[in-house]
Amino acid sequence: GQQVMQIPQYQHVQEGEDFTTYCNSSTTLSNIQWYKQRPGGHPVFLIQLVKSGEVKKQKRLTFQFGEAKKNSSLHITATQTTDVGTYFCAAPNAGGTSYGKLTFGQGTILTVHP
Amino acid sequence: KAGVTQTPRYLIKTRGQQVTLSCSPISGHRSVSWYQQTPGQGLQFLFEYFSETQRNKGNFPGRFSGRQFSNSRSEMNVSTLELGDSALYLCASSPLSTGRNTEAFFGQGTRLTVV
Repeated sequence: GQQVMQIPQYQHVQEGEDFTTYCNSSTTLSNIQWYKQRPGGHPVFLIQLVKSGEVKKQKRLTFQFGEAKKNSSLHITATQTTDVGTYFCAAPNAGGTSYGKLTFGQGTILTVHP
Repeated sequence: KAGVTQTPRYLIKTRGQQVTLSCSPISGHRSVSWYQQTPGQGLQFLFEYFSETQRNKGNFPGRFSGRQFSNSRSEMNVSTLELGDSALYLCASSPLSTGRNTEAFFGQGTRLTVV
């Protein structure tokens, strides 16, 4: 079945440092989504990328979708303690119907030291 | 607009018992998906319902089942509970009227502990 690999598994940074997490798929994706889950919370949608080479920004967060639509990254500039949580990439089901199924990467757990 | 509501929030069950979890989607959302989240396996898709029909199913044993009612509320049931079923069960809703993936709105989850 479809797999989405995400690295790194953990990232510890000092407040103010940058952070990047990467997602890779063996198959071409129709789109990719990013979610954030705060400790003890539930996943919250951040963004969806659809076009090859697409770059989107949300304040200090920059999201990229690779040219081949097989990889994606999330970069946070100058991390803050409020950025703490687990960041997931998620891809719709490959082939056939894509109803409701998202395949999630393993997530990157970000801790920020003040 | 109210978010996705899952009940109960916490549950402790004994091995061999069965459990039913409930999910009320955002008003107007007709698609409801269920996910199991564990530290070892991450977020894994269980199944998806749209207009009372199961359209997609993940790789879970038949002990895991679900249904959706005409008001889009959904329930999932796990029978003959095993210790390994301990997890956070998340429900997500989306409009998905055209079959294209759109963002999923997650509920706060039900934390199931099997002892």
